[in-house]
Amino acid sequence: SQQGEEDPQALSIQEGENATMNCSYKTSINNLQWYRQNSGRGLVHLILIRSNEREKHSGRLRVTLDTSKKSSSLLITASRAADTASYFCATDGQNYGGSQGNLIFGKGTKLSVKP
Amino acid sequence: DSGVTQTPKHLITATGQRVTLRCSPRSGDLSVYWYQQSLDQGLQFLIQYYNGEERAKGNILERFSAQQFPDLHSELNLSSLELGDSALYFCASSVDIFPSYEQYFGPGTRLTVT
Repeated sequence: SQQGEEDPQALSIQEGENATMNCSYKTSINNLQWYRQNSGRGLVHLILIRSNEREKHSGRLRVTLDTSKKSSSLLITASRAADTASYFCATDGQNYGGSQGNLIFGKGTKLSVKP
Repeated sequence: DSGVTQTPKHLITATGQRVTLRCSPRSGDLSVYWYQQSLDQGLQFLIQYYNGEERAKGNILERFSAQQFPDLHSELNLSSLELGDSALYFCASSVDIFPSYEQYFGPGTRLTVT
């Protein structure tokens, strides 16, 4: 079962443009994380935002969290062809059929950045 | 390179067979997680171990089992394999059990059941 749901499912942009992906989730969380997956490979952690934080930056990444709307967004600025990948939001499983630290992933947004 | 290793990278086997997937966590990480990724189900949490003990169970079938050994490596055993078990299986590790820690994923094992 999924907790997070990313939107859009697919996004195609030109190099240099900004890419925004959204994630909605269903229950209360302790934190929300974003991961990137290049085709068929392992996931790479991008950023973690805690439930008491509203915004976080890491390089060209900007993540926002709105716990009242149960939603988060990931903004990639000045995108590059190398940013082409699938992006997943993940919430902790504590309140959603899990316990401790397991992650519940959304279905992901497939980002394509054209040179 | 996340520091998490998984073997084998690819596995092709027949229905009804049994396979073992192996994972070595990052040095110092005590918690190991197993996830299954398939086209229809997405990324699903299977099971978590912490310092040798099972801590959480997700959507893991009864035909699947896992364990974490004293040296902290973990194995996922899949038996009576069915076509629908074909998927990417990921192992991840983190320093602790709590959800405030990021997880480091291995490169995955691609299982094909024919």
